Amino acid sequence: EVQLVESGGGLVQPGGSLKLSCAASGFTFSGSAMHWVRQASGKGLEWVGRIRSKANSYATAYAASVKGRFTISRDDSKNTAYLQMNSLKTEDTAVYYCTRGVDYWGQGTLVTVSS
Amino acid sequence: DIQLTQSPSFLSASVGDRVTITCRASQGISSYLAWYQQKPGKAPKLLIYAASTLQSGVPSRFSGSGSGTEFTLTISSLQPEDFATYYCQQLNSYPVTFGGGTKVEIK
Repeated sequence: EVQLVESGGGLVQPGGSLKLSCAASGFTFSGSAMHWVRQASGKGLEWVGRIRSKANSYATAYAASVKGRFTISRDDSKNTAYLQMNSLKTEDTAVYYCTRGVDYWGQGTLVTVSS
Repeated sequence: DIQLTQSPSFLSASVGDRVTITCRASQGISSYLAWYQQKPGKAPKLLIYAASTLQSGVPSRFSGSGSGTEFTLTISSLQPEDFATYYCQQLNSYPVTFGGGTKVEIK
């Protein structure tokens, strides 16, 4: 059974940092591109970014709204993807989901940026 | 960036109704379109990918069509469990983008 489990969410002050993790199981993680998508309360879905596999040079891509502040990485030995979030803004407050392409999504982790 | 415009943004329908949701792309995206269903407090669930391919386990009352810039999601006979919000997503080019969503409510 495919599982994606996000962790690391919480309350952080504006300007602060947070690192989210996405633990994967049930599929060949090392061969899969992994994405992060977020959703502010009562709002729609916003793609954050993705990291490709080793075979694709771990290439990353980001939404303009987070480029330069967020970094996606992965550790294939741990079947885990990460989202490092720096210089956080109140508008980054959202539930953050990790996804394997289009088909599998985690349950999400809430990030709240507030003073 | 490719913009996806969903219509309507809100839809009120009855059980048994045929429902159609449209997603228009600001430029051609071939068939690189997915449809999702989301219920409150839950992660989105993939319904359709590659514009018209039904995801395994999804009821056959859901269907998708279109290519290029205009796409539709059709629910042939709305069931009580189908009341939810639906999103389209394009994967033709980065950044990946989503439509604004269509909320389907009970009439």
